[in-house]
Amino acid sequence: DAGVIQSPRHEVTEMGQEVTLRCKPISGHDYLFWYRQTMMRGLELLIYFNNNVPIDDSGMPEDRFSAKMPNASFSTLKIQPSEPRDSAVYFCASSLHSGGPSGMGYTQYFGPGTRLTVL
Amino acid sequence: GENVEQHPSTLSVQEGDSAVIKCTYSDSASNYFPWYKQELGKGPQLIIDIRSNVGEKKDQRIAVTLNKTAKHFSLHITETQPEDSAVYFCAANGRDNYGQNFVFGPGTRLSVLP
Repeated sequence: DAGVIQSPRHEVTEMGQEVTLRCKPISGHDYLFWYRQTMMRGLELLIYFNNNVPIDDSGMPEDRFSAKMPNASFSTLKIQPSEPRDSAVYFCASSLHSGGPSGMGYTQYFGPGTRLTVL
Repeated sequence: GENVEQHPSTLSVQEGDSAVIKCTYSDSASNYFPWYKQELGKGPQLIIDIRSNVGEKKDQRIAVTLNKTAKHFSLHITETQPEDSAVYFCAANGRDNYGQNFVFGPGTRLSVLP
């Protein structure tokens, strides 16, 4: 399996521009997660989906951030407008747990990340 | 919500020695505790995990112990090698019906000196 695929790997943009990050989860996985990693705040969960439906978006920092999952093999994280404080590494992860909510945690597999720099 | 603390923040050991990283969590409802290794420029990779119904788990040179009463868990790496040098993160799943809301510790930078 190719693992979780993210694109682009690096993105440099100017303040005010729209940024779209893309993720392809591991085939067959039913959960997809977006994380942000910074030196100051560490690794933070932004939002996660189950079967393409957003379950918890409490980690999304502002209305400038939005995430979609139009199908089981693709998700986007969009920032509009971008600001310098959005500079970070953004990770997508996926996991498999069929059978509905159980309260049990399962392994999350991370992609290589997208390093975003907003000038 | 869940809070995870991790110590030490940096750790240097000689090759062949053991390394121990400790984490504490706050939510007694947490039931899954993974450990991830992150190398420079890469995403975190799972190295071992433990569930709340188990006290210890081993995989070759790596072991994890869990004390539910004290709400702490530890990573033990024996016979360390230079390729073990990386940042290690512990995590605990937060309280929701899905159990997928992971809260990560701040990380430990491990350096194995040859």
